[in-house]
Amino acid sequence: QKEVEQNSGPLSVPEGAIASLNCTYSDRGSQSFFWYRQYSGKSPELIMSIYSNGDKEDGRFTAQLNKASQYVSLLIRDSQPSDSATYLCAVNPRWGSYIPTFGRGTSLIVHP
Amino acid sequence: SQTIHQWPATLVQPVGSPLSLECTVEGTSNPNLYWYRQAAGRGLQLLFYSVGIGQISSEVPQNLSASRPQDRQFILSSKKLLLSDSGFYLCAWSVQQGGGYTFGSGTRLTVV
Repeated sequence: QKEVEQNSGPLSVPEGAIASLNCTYSDRGSQSFFWYRQYSGKSPELIMSIYSNGDKEDGRFTAQLNKASQYVSLLIRDSQPSDSATYLCAVNPRWGSYIPTFGRGTSLIVHP
Repeated sequence: SQTIHQWPATLVQPVGSPLSLECTVEGTSNPNLYWYRQAAGRGLQLLFYSVGIGQISSEVPQNLSASRPQDRQFILSSKKLLLSDSGFYLCAWSVQQGGGYTFGSGTRLTVV
């Protein structure tokens, strides 16, 4: 069974710090990786996608993928209280697959 | 640009009553459509997905059903609700080749 594991947290960081969120997956053949942000009571929002090993940066967000070690990370630089949310990792098992496996999410709290 | 509409936002229904939740997508053709449920404090559970009109795949056998009468319309139904059907119902779409999801705003269903 394909699994995606995330530490449920909460991860608490001070405002302005770097928040590091991690996700591991079991299916070595996985090809597509996504990070979603979900505010309390709201629906998830796609914030990052990554398909190749290495880093992908978008503003204050950086996704890091290491297929050999089967993990994907999300770094949030200059964390703001508005970044406080649950972050969901999702993994598509192969090219052309449209059913990802979701992790259960990591709760992030950014305190002033 | 593509938008996804989901309604109603909240719903309180008695046990044994019927259910109909509707989702429509604008600005794209032939999307993949999905229904997820998120119970309180739990992860996302895929209920149904559809790759085309009239094509429905069920992931969780239960008293729910789904239909796709038009290309950009996806409906979740039940003839008789159970207490265990309470949760946050999310509609989502993606392009046919996979990729990340765009979620609707969700329906919070409470069965009493």
